Amino acid sequence: EVQLVESGGGLVQPGGSLRLSCAASGFTFSSYWMHWVRQAPGKGLVWVSRINPDGSSTTYADSVNGRFTISRDNAENTLYLQLNSLRAGDSAVYYCIRGYSSYFEYWSQGTLVTVSS
Amino acid sequence: QSVLTQPPSVSGAPGQRVTISCTGSSSNIGAGSDVHWYQQLPGTAPKLLISDNSNRPSGVPDRFSGSKSGTSASLAITGLQAEDEADYYCQSYDNSLSGYVFGTGTKVTVL
Repeated sequence: EVQLVESGGGLVQPGGSLRLSCAASGFTFSSYWMHWVRQAPGKGLVWVSRINPDGSSTTYADSVNGRFTISRDNAENTLYLQLNSLRAGDSAVYYCIRGYSSYFEYWSQGTLVTVSS
Repeated sequence: QSVLTQPPSVSGAPGQRVTISCTGSSSNIGAGSDVHWYQQLPGTAPKLLISDNSNRPSGVPDRFSGSKSGTSASLAITGLQAEDEADYYCQSYDNSLSGYVFGTGTKVTVL
């Protein structure tokens, strides 16, 4: 059974940093593209970033480019998202996702990030 | 920020058929990018409902079906059930943005 379990969310001040982790199990982690998608409270879904299976290629949405960094540790079956220079508009539930082709096949339960003073 | 447009809400009585439209442009759906659909039940993470325009993953009831034509796509739910009350999102890839895009989301209400 595919499982994606996140950790690392919480309350952070504007300008601060946070690192989200996503522990994967139940599949060969090193074979799949992985993504982050976020959802602000009461709002829709927004794609944030993706990383290829060996970690050599990353892509970001314009809204986070230069502030967020996606990475992975295939030996530990873990996906990361480093969030820097956080703004109020980054407050959202962040989902870790296993990708397949051009769609999002399996979703984590999500972790809430709140940016507030 | 959403580049795919969906109606905010649709409703129907149990057993009825409802459809949700997803309108894109020549840089995403119209460019040949596949459309995928997700169901988000209240308080839960989204779940893949339809992939590659019309394919149902294992476990998804055949009451759900998808189609695509031109710059638009549609999700149909036949034999509407109370458990279908949820938010539904379409998703595709946009060549101009070089990224994935979601629809604005549609809330389905069972009357």
